[in-house]
Amino acid sequence: DAGVIQSPRHEVTEMGQEVTLRCKPISGHNSLFWYRQTMMRGLELLIYFNNNVPIDDSGMPEDRFSAKMPNASFSTLKIQPSEPRDSAVYFCASGTSLGGGSYGYTFGSGTRLTVV
Amino acid sequence: AQSVTQLGSHVSVSEGALVLLRCNYSSSVPPYLFWYVQYPNQGLQLLLKYTSAATLVKGINGFEAEFKKSETSFHLTKPSAHMSDAAEYFCAVSDGYKYIFGTGTRLKVLA
Repeated sequence: DAGVIQSPRHEVTEMGQEVTLRCKPISGHNSLFWYRQTMMRGLELLIYFNNNVPIDDSGMPEDRFSAKMPNASFSTLKIQPSEPRDSAVYFCASGTSLGGGSYGYTFGSGTRLTVV
Repeated sequence: AQSVTQLGSHVSVSEGALVLLRCNYSSSVPPYLFWYVQYPNQGLQLLLKYTSAATLVKGINGFEAEFKKSETSFHLTKPSAHMSDAAEYFCAVSDGYKYIFGTGTRLKVLA
């Protein structure tokens, strides 16, 4: 199993540009999560999909952020327009149920986004 | 609401010495607890998880953690540190589908 695959690994863009981050979850995992990691705020859950349906997007910072999961093997996180404060590492994770409402996650290697 | 506290943002140990990374949790229900490791410029890798089975949980790379309900703790240990253990370690508690992560502990291993 190749694990959770994210692309690109690094992205440098100018303020105001659109940025699209991509994620391929592990086959058979029915849950997908996007997290953001910054020094100031640590790891924050942005959005959670279950069976390709967005269940909780309360962590999405603002309308500039959007996420889609058109099928079980692909998800995108888009920022339009991007701002310097969006600079962070964005992680995708896919998961399976552990029972009791909890999930076991496998994380991708992340996309380091720098907005200049 | 669930939460975790990691005591010590930086820990230094000598190679071969005991590693002890502290995590205390707060949970209103029996928790699921996790330790993850993050090497530089990489994602988070699961070290071990507690899911209400055995209280002593063994993970990868020689790490283990003990769930102590009376102390609300889930400390991570390794008997003998290797240089390759230098990384950042995160404790997390499951809040349904969400993980609540601690702020992380950066482990430095001294030669």
